[in-house]
Amino acid sequence: DTEVTQTPKHLVMGMTNKKSLKCEQHMGHRAMYWYKQKAKKPPELMFVYSYEKLSINESVPSRFSPECPNSSLLNLHLHALQPEDSALYLCASSLIAGTSGWDEQFFGPGTRLTVL
Amino acid sequence: AQKVTQAQTEISVVEKEDVTLDCVYETRDTTYYLFWYKQPPSGELVFLIRRNSFDEQNEISGRYSWNFQKSTSSFNFTITASQVVDSAVYFCALNMGQLTFGSGTQLTVLP
Repeated sequence: DTEVTQTPKHLVMGMTNKKSLKCEQHMGHRAMYWYKQKAKKPPELMFVYSYEKLSINESVPSRFSPECPNSSLLNLHLHALQPEDSALYLCASSLIAGTSGWDEQFFGPGTRLTVL
Repeated sequence: AQKVTQAQTEISVVEKEDVTLDCVYETRDTTYYLFWYKQPPSGELVFLIRRNSFDEQNEISGRYSWNFQKSTSSFNFTITASQVVDSAVYFCALNMGQLTFGSGTQLTVLP
């Protein structure tokens, strides 16, 4: 199984809602990532988990809260988002994180989030 | 600091034409890794190739080929005999622990 799955595919939420994005991989990868991608822009790194511990937070606002319950699962909890947070949220995984750069990252199909 | 530049924002070609996507990178390190990803309209980034800084051999995979030149800090990607299914955004990226993406090139192949 060489894929990263993400649910839901699409999400529309109001600014007062709480929702969660889910990401799953069964490749035995120990690094997982959240990226945010606005239209016509490259992905921007948000968070990196290495061995289920948060290793990088790219100064992301606290209305985004990541969670890694186990080595296969990665969640992104959303609360009190703003319309400018509307974007494609991509999850990725790689064998290990950070050290060499050799590992390719496998990306999921993303969740298209619209904040009204 | 690392930087990747893809100067071509959009390219449009007619099917069966060859097309080259340019990528120029900046890094002070001697060990680094370069990647190309394809992002079709569905959104998923698809890994195409990885190259490390010590391996300057060009690579061919079917209709795809890559030209890595350290002297010019370039890692260009050529699609031969393009097809409509090649239409996508293509990202070049530098990986030194974290991926630094270029801004992407939107390739449209017209029938």
